[in-house]
Amino acid sequence: EVQLVETGGGLIQLGGSLRLSCATSGFTVSNTYMNWVRQAPGKGLEWVSVIYRDGTIYYADSVKGRFTISRDNSKNTLYLQMNSLRAEDTAVYYCARDGPERWIQNWGQGTLVTVAS
Amino acid sequence: DIQMTQSPSTLSASVGDRVTITCRASQSISSWLAWYQQKPGKAPKSLIYKASNLESGVPSRISGSGSGTEFTLTISSLQPDDFATYYCQQYNSYPYSFGQGTKLEIK
Repeated sequence: EVQLVETGGGLIQLGGSLRLSCATSGFTVSNTYMNWVRQAPGKGLEWVSVIYRDGTIYYADSVKGRFTISRDNSKNTLYLQMNSLRAEDTAVYYCARDGPERWIQNWGQGTLVTVAS
Repeated sequence: DIQMTQSPSTLSASVGDRVTITCRASQSISSWLAWYQQKPGKAPKSLIYKASNLESGVPSRISGSGSGTEFTLTISSLQPDDFATYYCQQYNSYPYSFGQGTKLEIK
């Protein structure tokens, strides 16, 4: 069974840094495409970043240069390093796994990041 | 970037009704479209991929259709478990983008 468990969220000051983790089981993180998707309170879904099997990475323009996606194959874990946090980064962050044909098939339960001034 | 527009934003319906949600892409995305259901406080759940393919375990009263720029999600006979928010998402190219959501409410 595929499982995705995010941790690392919390309250952080404006301009601060935070690292989110996504522990996975039921599959090998290095053999699939992994994403981060976020959802601001009461708002819709916003794709944030993806890391391919071969290590290719893409980011949304809204986080480019501030966020870094990575993975630890030995721990089967995905990460999102978030720097220079802004109020508009406040959201629930979901770790998400692509299905065989590249849609987002599996989602974690999410972790809330609140950026406060 | 590809913009996704859903309509309506809110839909009021009754158990047993047939409902349709529309999703339009700002440019052709072939059939690279997925639909998700989200309930309050929960993660989204994948319902349909490649415009019309039902995820395993999703009831057959839910269906999807379309290609190019126009897509629809149809629920043939609403059940109490179907009242939720629905999102479409294009995965034709990065950045992936979602529609703004359609909240399906009980009339």
